[in-house]
Amino acid sequence: DTGVSQDPRHKITKRGQNVTFRCDPISEHNRLYWYRQTLGQGPEFLTYFQNEAQLEKSRLLSDRFSAERPKGSFSTLEIQRTEQGDSAMYLCASSNPGLKGEQYFGPGTRLTVT
Amino acid sequence: TQLLEQSPQFLSIQEGENLTVYCNSSSVFSSLQWYRQEPGEGPVLLVTVVTGGEVKKLKRLTFQFGDARKDSSLHITAAQPGDTGLYLCAAPRQGAQKLVFGQGTRLTINP
Repeated sequence: DTGVSQDPRHKITKRGQNVTFRCDPISEHNRLYWYRQTLGQGPEFLTYFQNEAQLEKSRLLSDRFSAERPKGSFSTLEIQRTEQGDSAMYLCASSNPGLKGEQYFGPGTRLTVT
Repeated sequence: TQLLEQSPQFLSIQEGENLTVYCNSSSVFSSLQWYRQEPGEGPVLLVTVVTGGEVKKLKRLTFQFGDARKDSSLHITAAQPGDTGLYLCAAPRQGAQKLVFGQGTRLTINP
């Protein structure tokens, strides 16, 4: 069973460094989402792709954040010049149209900025 | 302001007791999902409800969608320590693809 996978699972970086996370969605899903979750909160939407097209970005996604899905399969999320406030769990999810809004999540990447 | 309000935010009960968690909104949703999340892991989908008044059962868990599709509840019968976790309700924003989440209910079942 190949669910959504994310790499790395944990990342510790120093403030000001760049980090990149990868997400591999369920293979037959054409929609891919990134969310951020801080302690004690539910996930918050960051951005969404349908195939390779990035169709929506949240205001939470500052210009230090960029996401790509070049071939409509895996996706990367890059954070440049990390800040301590970027420390969070970054979650990736995938879905298909007609799934009644259901999204399937990966295990997440826990980012700690020191 | 949270679009989805969950209550209670924290709940600690003894094994064998029953409990209900609520998810409320002033907005109407086309569907609503419940997820469970373990520490350090991503949310795992438990159920989707679509029709107003719909009731779905998953072993000891009973999920209900309000008649007006604005609210939902999760009832657990005879809770077990394995039910411990963060329970999240979520719904797709009308006209958009993203999910909005409640802040979650952190449930602890004590042996």
